[in-house]
Amino acid sequence: GQNIDQPTEMTATEGAIVQINCTYQTSGFNGLFWYQQHAGEAPTFLSYNVLDGLEEKGRFSSFLSRSKGYSYLLLKELQMKDSASYLCAVKEGYQKVTFGTGTKLQVIP
Amino acid sequence: DAGVTQSPTHLIKTRGQQVTLRCSPKSGHDTVSWYQQALGQGPQFIFQYYEEEERQRGNFPDRFSGHQFPNYSSELNVNALLLGDSALYLCASSSDRVSWNEQFFGPGTRLTVL
Repeated sequence: GQNIDQPTEMTATEGAIVQINCTYQTSGFNGLFWYQQHAGEAPTFLSYNVLDGLEEKGRFSSFLSRSKGYSYLLLKELQMKDSASYLCAVKEGYQKVTFGTGTKLQVIP
Repeated sequence: DAGVTQSPTHLIKTRGQQVTLRCSPKSGHDTVSWYQQALGQGPQFIFQYYEEEERQRGNFPDRFSGHQFPNYSSELNVNALLLGDSALYLCASSSDRVSWNEQFFGPGTRLTVL
């Protein structure tokens, strides 16, 4: 089975940097996703990590440590439109993806 | 290129009724996964279809069933609806030929059970 933990809520200031952490326990890790979900909308893909290390994509970066069961999503130069829920999801086995409950990020002026 | 589409957008049913939700995957995708998302929660995996067969299943009762058609579209059926089945139902498609399997989500169907 899977256990995925991430903070419920975070608040950060426009223009700042925020790090959203995710820890997981799984019997068959096969990759970790980060998704962004605005209220009332479907999740949209942000990143995928399967090997240890940092993946950078514009203002967003994602880090993975498989030995520690730990990942984080780093958002730089925060914008008001970044206010959303950020979902950590772990792929177990070939295709099953298990989501955490999400971190609701509020960006304030 | 159309993305993942779902129908209907919203649906209201009463307890005990049955419902069918539909999903068309993104062009070029052959795998469809269904998720249930309760308010304030992350999506919960229901099951996944590939080559018209249920390949994996989450922790959902047999009241939840599905089907995949030769054109890769899919249906989710829920029988004997309960109040607790009220949620956003998301369909996600992916390609089995892509090793890292990014899933593209549809806009969802909001089901309300009264």
